[in-house]
Amino acid sequence: KQEVTQIPAALSVPEGENLVLNCSFTDSAIYNLQWFRQDPGKGLTSLLLIQSSQREQTSGRLNASLDKSSGRSTLYIAASQPGDSATYLCAVSPQGAQKLVFGQGTRLTINP
Amino acid sequence: DAGVIQSPRHEVTEMGQEVTLRCKLISGHNSLFWYRQTMMRGLELLIYFNNNVPIDDSGMPEDRFSAKMPNASFSTLKIQPSEPRDSAVYFCASSLAGLVPREQFFGPGTRLTVL
Repeated sequence: KQEVTQIPAALSVPEGENLVLNCSFTDSAIYNLQWFRQDPGKGLTSLLLIQSSQREQTSGRLNASLDKSSGRSTLYIAASQPGDSATYLCAVSPQGAQKLVFGQGTRLTINP
Repeated sequence: DAGVIQSPRHEVTEMGQEVTLRCKLISGHNSLFWYRQTMMRGLELLIYFNNNVPIDDSGMPEDRFSAKMPNASFSTLKIQPSEPRDSAVYFCASSLAGLVPREQFFGPGTRLTVL
């Protein structure tokens, strides 16, 4: 059974810092990995999708990497801003299934 | 283009009542997913459809839950009778089915409270 873990559960950093969020998964047989952002009381916003054959994806200040063999992904946020404060969720799509299996998320706070 | 549309956004009901949640897919998408989010269990898949056909309903908690796609762009999730432990945020997500899974786009969710 695929399990996804995100560490740390919460992170607080001052504005302007570069930071890394971590995601690990137990079964490397995946189609892809997706990073989402969730603001309090809101839905999920898709940030980046990495196919299993890819090593990384970039969008603006965000860069996501994938090491499928070791079951790890990182989300790098450059020059963090208070508006980046949210919960970040990673999810994998296991091979043989179209569903997403989610981690519990990392609650990020950027302090002005 | 409009994203995934869910209604109602909030629902408060009493135990034993029937609850119906609604979802409209993004135009052109043909995969529909229902997820539930709770503090204890996080986000979990309940059921998903491809081209109106239920593919995996193994996440549906029990017979009190049922989901349908009466047409290609619309789905309902019904709970009958509802119980306090059903209180959660229910999300619908939409995607374009292919040989491999594609990006899923989520609706704003329905916050359900069962008293």
